This record gives sequence, structure tokens and C-alpha cells, in this order.
Amino acid sequence: AQSVTQPDIHITVSEGASLELRCNYSYGATPYLFWYVQSPGQGLQLLLKYFSGDTLVQGIKGFEAEFKRSQSSFNLRKPSVHWSDAAEYFCAVGQTGANNLFFGTGTRLTVIP
Amino acid sequence: DSGVTQTPKHLITATGQRVTLRCSPRSGDLSVYWYQQSLDQGLQFLIQYYNGEERAKGNILERFSAQQFPDLHSELNLSSLELGDSALYFCASSVAGAGGNTIYFGEGSWLTVV
Repeated sequence: AQSVTQPDIHITVSEGASLELRCNYSYGATPYLFWYVQSPGQGLQLLLKYFSGDTLVQGIKGFEAEFKRSQSSFNLRKPSVHWSDAAEYFCAVGQTGANNLFFGTGTRLTVIP
Repeated sequence: DSGVTQTPKHLITATGQRVTLRCSPRSGDLSVYWYQQSLDQGLQFLIQYYNGEERAKGNILERFSAQQFPDLHSELNLSSLELGDSALYFCASSVAGAGGNTIYFGEGSWLTVV
């Protein structure tokens, strides 16, 4: 069965510090991988996606993520966090022929000045 | 702005009542998805429609139903509401199925059952 694990429920970083949010998936075939961000009281905004090709993908707001097949991971990174990045981040997985995405439980990011 | 429009944004209703949530997908998208987000269950896939036909069912209760109309907008009907149905309901859309296609989410409809 497909599953997505985000092992960190809550992460706190200082503004200007680097960030890495972890995502591990369990899938039988080549997955399609996504990161979404949800600001308080807002909907889900797509940050980036990986379908194929270069395993390092760039997204909006200065985020990037790297697909590592050997580790079944798709970690999200940002070199310097801004206070406006405080939000909840969701990793999601899709598959060829699948009709929906499976989401992780989310990681809440707090940014301190 | 994702291009997915949901109404209403907020809704408060009593237990036992019925509500309808409405969704307009992005222009050109044929698939519509409904998700429920609650504190205890996280993001749960409810159901997907593609060009008017049901394509996939997730954790959708029998008290809930959905449909997609010829103009591709969709409605999620929630009946005999219980306190536990209080949640944020997302509609999302994509060109086709989720495999290999990006799913774009609306801003959600907040349902509070009192």
C-alpha cells in the first residue's frame, strides 16, 4: 500500500537559517512527488513537483527538493528561511494510473526572528 | 490563485442538517477531487470525478455524495451532519487523473457543525 511519511511534526528555525523538511514514501512504481504549502487559514499551494528527469527540482519561493530513489525520499530544502515561510508543508505522492494523491501528515514550520 | 473556486468559504450548520459545497475547476481541467482536512485525520481523499463520471472513491462516508455536472463544476453533498464532520473541505482539479498531472487546490470550504 502507498504511504507517505513526514517524520517531523513541528520544526522551528531561525530566520535566515537553512531548512530541510523530510519526506519518505512507500510506493511500488515510479512515483510522482509533490510538495504543497498551507498558510494559516489558506488553501494548499503547490511548491514544486517531480515527475521525471533531473532529480533536483526547483520550485517557487526559493524552495528546492531532491528525489533520491535509493532512500525513497523527497526532501524539501531552502537555504535561507524567511518569516513568511511559516506554514504547514505537505508532501504528496501520485502514481501512473492513480486517481488521487496520498498526503503525508504535514510538518508545521515556525520561524523565529 | 490556483484557478479552482470553492463556495461557500465558511459555513456553520446544526447537527442533522444537510449542506452542499460547490467547486468550479480550473479552465480546461476535467478531473475534480474532494478532500477533507481535519485535525485528527489529516488530509483524506474523498472522491474523484472525471468528465462527469466517478473515477475513484476514498474515505467517503455514505452520508456524503458528490457529482460533476456537464459544465464540469462539482458539488459535494453532506447530509445528516455530525459534530465530527466539522472540517475544511478542499476541492482540487487536474487536466486528467493524478498520475503524472498536477493537482491544483482551491482555498477550501470551512464547515462547522454545532
